[in-house]
Amino acid sequence: KQEVTQIPAALSVPEGENLVLNCSFTDSAIYNLQWFRQDPGKGLTSLLLIQSSQREQTSGRLNASLDKSSGRSTLYIAASQPGDSATYLCAVRGAGSYQLTFGKGTKLSVIP
Amino acid sequence: GAVVSQHPSRVICKSGTSVKIECRSLDFQATTMFWYRQFPKQSLMLMATSNEGSKATYEQGVEKDKFLINHASLTLSTLTVTSAHPEDSSFYICSARDSEGPAYEQYFGPGTRLTVT
Repeated sequence: KQEVTQIPAALSVPEGENLVLNCSFTDSAIYNLQWFRQDPGKGLTSLLLIQSSQREQTSGRLNASLDKSSGRSTLYIAASQPGDSATYLCAVRGAGSYQLTFGKGTKLSVIP
Repeated sequence: GAVVSQHPSRVICKSGTSVKIECRSLDFQATTMFWYRQFPKQSLMLMATSNEGSKATYEQGVEKDKFLINHASLTLSTLTVTSAHPEDSSFYICSARDSEGPAYEQYFGPGTRLTVT
């Protein structure tokens, strides 16, 4: 059974700092990995999706990497802003399945 | 972009009553929808996979007679929590897969906060 772990559970940084969020998964037979953002009491906003054949994806200040063989992914946020404060969720989709397995998330606070 | 809506966004019901949550794909057809539950500070847990025109597939440990899922059309799936109890209080989120879009895309609704008193 796939398990997804996110470290740290919470992170507080001053505005402008670059930061890295970590995600690890136990079964490397994945179809893709996706990073989401969730604001309090809200649904999910998809940030980046990395296919199993890819090593990274970039969107603006966000860069996500994937090392499938070691079961790891990172989300890099450059020049953090208070508006980046949210919970970031990592989810993997198993090969041959539409189902997503989520981590518990990292709650990010960017202090002005 | 693809939009998924949920109704209601918040609902409070009394213990023992039933409550229905709707999930709609607004600008695409979805043969497959997913229902998740999220407890505070916990991950989203998949409850069931809803397939249009057929019975839903429930995850282990999810009572199908308590959480009734109906996917009667290509744009609507409903989750009915029957005989609700306080422990059913949670955040319920649906997602939908675009039948005509990339196989890997799922679009998430904004969620429904259920509180059972």
